[in-house]
Amino acid sequence: DSGVTQTPKHLITATGQRVTLRCSPRSGDLSVYWYQQSLDQGLQFLIQYYNGEERAKGNILERFSAQQFPDLHSELNLSSLELGDSALYFCASSGEGVPYEQYFGPGTRLTVT
Amino acid sequence: GQSLEQPSEVTAVEGAIVQINCTYQTSGFYGLSWYQQHDGGAPTFLSYNALDGLEETGRFSSFLSRSDSYGYLLLQELQMKDSASYFCAVRTHGQNFVFGPGTRLSVLP
Repeated sequence: DSGVTQTPKHLITATGQRVTLRCSPRSGDLSVYWYQQSLDQGLQFLIQYYNGEERAKGNILERFSAQQFPDLHSELNLSSLELGDSALYFCASSGEGVPYEQYFGPGTRLTVT
Repeated sequence: GQSLEQPSEVTAVEGAIVQINCTYQTSGFYGLSWYQQHDGGAPTFLSYNALDGLEETGRFSSFLSRSDSYGYLLLQELQMKDSASYFCAVRTHGQNFVFGPGTRLSVLP
C-alpha cells in the first residue's frame, strides 16, 4: 500500500460525457502527479501540482483539466470523452525534494463506450 | 522530441542475473528513475540515478552514463516474483517526466 488513494476504481461512461477522478496523496506529500496508461501509449505524464499550484504540464489534452485543493487532494476532470480516452489513470505523489521518487495510487480504470 | 528506448521483452531463469537497458533522448535531463509494475498493479519506485555510476539497493542495481544517454537496471538472484514490467523514466526540464515503453521481464523456473 503506497498511501495514495484514488476513487473510483472503475468508471464506465459514454462518449461525450464528463467524469471526475479523485486522488489523495500520501500524508505530508505536497506534490501530486497524474498519468494516463493505455496499451498503445504506455505511461504518459499529464500534469503536476505542488501545494495547490500547477508545476508542470505534460501531454494533457485541452479537454482535460486538474486542480489541487487546500487539503492537497487532487481531481482530474475529463470532458467530451472519446473512445480513445479509455485507459488507466494513475495519480502519484512525492515528498519534498524527491520528485523522482513517486508513489502511485491503485489507479482508476476508465472505459468509454 | 523526447524518447526513451527499452527492450520490449526479456526472459531469464530463476537465480540468474538480467540487465534491462534504457537509452534516452530528451530536452533536459535531471535524472533517471526505474519503476516496477506487476500486471494489474501500480508502478512502484525502485531506484534513481542523478549522477554517473552505480546505485545498489539489495538485489537491484541501477547504472547511469550521462555522456552516453544510457542507463540500465540490473536484477540479481532473480525470483519468480520479479516477473513484471520495468519502466525507466527521465525527469526533464520543468519537472516533466517521460517514461519509457517498458520492458516485460519473464522469470522462468
